[in-house]
Amino acid sequence: SAVISQKPSRDICQRGTSLTIQCQVDSQVTMMFWYRQQPGQSLTLIATANQGSEATYESGFVIDKFPISRPNLTFSTLTVSNMSPEDSSIYLCSVEVRGANTEAFFGQGTRLTVV
Amino acid sequence: SQQGEEDPQALSIQEGENATMNCSYKTSINNLQWYRQNSGRGLVHLILIRSNEREKHSGRLRVTLDTSKKSSSLLITASRAADTASYFCATDRGSNYQLIWGAGTKLIIKP
Repeated sequence: SAVISQKPSRDICQRGTSLTIQCQVDSQVTMMFWYRQQPGQSLTLIATANQGSEATYESGFVIDKFPISRPNLTFSTLTVSNMSPEDSSIYLCSVEVRGANTEAFFGQGTRLTVV
Repeated sequence: SQQGEEDPQALSIQEGENATMNCSYKTSINNLQWYRQNSGRGLVHLILIRSNEREKHSGRLRVTLDTSKKSSSLLITASRAADTASYFCATDRGSNYQLIWGAGTKLIIKP
């Protein structure tokens, strides 16, 4: 299993500013996943963060807007840059513990409101 | 990252009734999992059913899997107000692949 501490849990930010979300895992994991979830919607994968290499971004998401750091195997940050109201969403980090069966573990989520 | 479809998108029932949610997927799988999300929080694993299983129970949860139809259902019996949440299915194609998430069903239990 894995326990993920994500912070902040929520924030209200001014447009044009940036917010960095942090996730700390209690064990070493190869990949961490960052998701966005707009109100009432499913999870949309932003990027996969690998330690020691650049993150892999999904279609529609770019590094300039969502820079990611992965300095070690237990920590990652996602920055939402130059925010606009359209960035208001829930952001979630996740890890998948793989073995005979893969199970996902999530941070508590960050509820971002851009005004 | 999304291959599953869930229906209904939203379900509102009276406390005590049973709630059934469905999930369909597109590829062959190793197993299928159901997760619960309380409002705006992280998802929490509920139950896993392997591809060679047809039905599984855990407390008030019953999961079925039909690999020929590539579909699964989650039944919550004797629903409670505390069951109000969103429920997501996720398919596991094996350790070399990332989980694929369904669209989710928002369940509201009216007291």
